[in-house]
Amino acid sequence: ETGVTQTPRHLVMGMTNKKSLKCEQHLGHNAMYWYKQSAKKPLELMFVYNFKEQTENNSVPSRFSPECPNSSHLFLHLHTLQPEDSALYLCASSQVSGSYGYTFGSGTRLTVV
Amino acid sequence: AQTVTQSQPEMSVQEAETVTLSCTYDTSESDYYLFWYKQPPSRQMILVIRQEAYKQQNATENRFSVNFQKAAKSFSLKISDSQLGDAAMYFCAYRGTDRDDKIIFGKGTRLHILP
Repeated sequence: ETGVTQTPRHLVMGMTNKKSLKCEQHLGHNAMYWYKQSAKKPLELMFVYNFKEQTENNSVPSRFSPECPNSSHLFLHLHTLQPEDSALYLCASSQVSGSYGYTFGSGTRLTVV
Repeated sequence: AQTVTQSQPEMSVQEAETVTLSCTYDTSESDYYLFWYKQPPSRQMILVIRQEAYKQQNATENRFSVNFQKAAKSFSLKISDSQLGDAAMYFCAYRGTDRDDKIIFGKGTRLHILP
């Protein structure tokens, strides 16, 4: 048990589908993050939530819609994605001012067909 | 803006040997945190070791140790007695001490362990 759980582990979706990724943490952290990891590219920070409030959106297309109903849960809603959105999506959590770094989930491998 | 540079995209080491992964960073801050993360094929990013910049003593966790050179802004990771399970992507990372500072990751070094 890592403390940060992501579901599903794998997802294949068509470009017209709507799906959601889920992230849950039971570490008492108050910040949560979505990252995109594509082959041959650096980790891309997508969204940051501190105390349930979105504090950062790094120019992410609107076809990605995050939701943070409480400090333990984070969702990423997906709709009308493109094949280039295929990637590993990682969720992480931490304390807002974290000397101890982030705790990551195992990611969702997304394939858009 | 802070940056983290890992100049070795891939490295290989013989099992049981020692390997050092390089990392340099750029910051104007005097206090910050540095990390090494490991991402094995299972995909989960795992924190391997952390260093507080105000501590001169190099951090050590079992077979993993760092060489922290603050003046040179260098933070290398040494893995002793390499094992097959050490094969992974390794990310060097930096985080400032301000409340809203986020972790900045390097591009990673893929480590292969040769049996």
